[in-house]
Amino acid sequence: AQSVTQLDSQVPVFEEAPVELRCNYSSSVSVYLFWYVQYPNQGLQLLLKYLSGSTLVKSINGFEAEFNKSQTSFHLRKPSVHISDTAEYFCAVSPSGGSNYKLTFGKGTLLTVNP
Amino acid sequence: DVKVTQSSRYLVKRTGEKVFLECVQDMDHENMFWYRQDPGLGLRLIYFSYDVKMKEKGDIPEGYSVSREKKERFSLILESASTNQTSMYLCASTLLGGEQYFGPGTRLTVT
Repeated sequence: AQSVTQLDSQVPVFEEAPVELRCNYSSSVSVYLFWYVQYPNQGLQLLLKYLSGSTLVKSINGFEAEFNKSQTSFHLRKPSVHISDTAEYFCAVSPSGGSNYKLTFGKGTLLTVNP
Repeated sequence: DVKVTQSSRYLVKRTGEKVFLECVQDMDHENMFWYRQDPGLGLRLIYFSYDVKMKEKGDIPEGYSVSREKKERFSLILESASTNQTSMYLCASTLLGGEQYFGPGTRLTVT
């Protein structure tokens, strides 16, 4: 079984400041890792994912996350946030083997970007 | 683009009613999922299906059932709605690599 801990339930920042949303996971097997974003009144959208290869993965809108196996972490970072980044962010993990592709989600981090 | 649609964005039902939430995906995905989302609790898996007529319980199946008669459609059924089932319900589907595609959600209020 897997579990995901998002260490901050809310993160308020000012526009153009850097931000880090923290995610730690627990698993007895190899995993895939994901960050999803949910804008107000919408479903979840995939932001970025780690399946294999380079441990640093990037999204098209400037976010990046680094898989750290020794620390079992997958923190999300952005060097300079915009008002439009205000949303809830969910970290998720799935086993890399098997056939059911179940995801286990963290409880979410609400990022609020203030002017 | 993968599209996952849900039959209603907002739904209001009375306690004891039977409620059907429908989800349709257009990408021939084998796996489909129903979650509920509550503030501070994140997403919790209710049921998932890995093939037509196949289903497995998730973490919180009590009070719910599901139906998958066709590959593209996965229905969530609340046999007798209760106020503690007031929530946001999200449907998702996936083919490979664990990446799930989500619908817009149905916000259900049970009064």
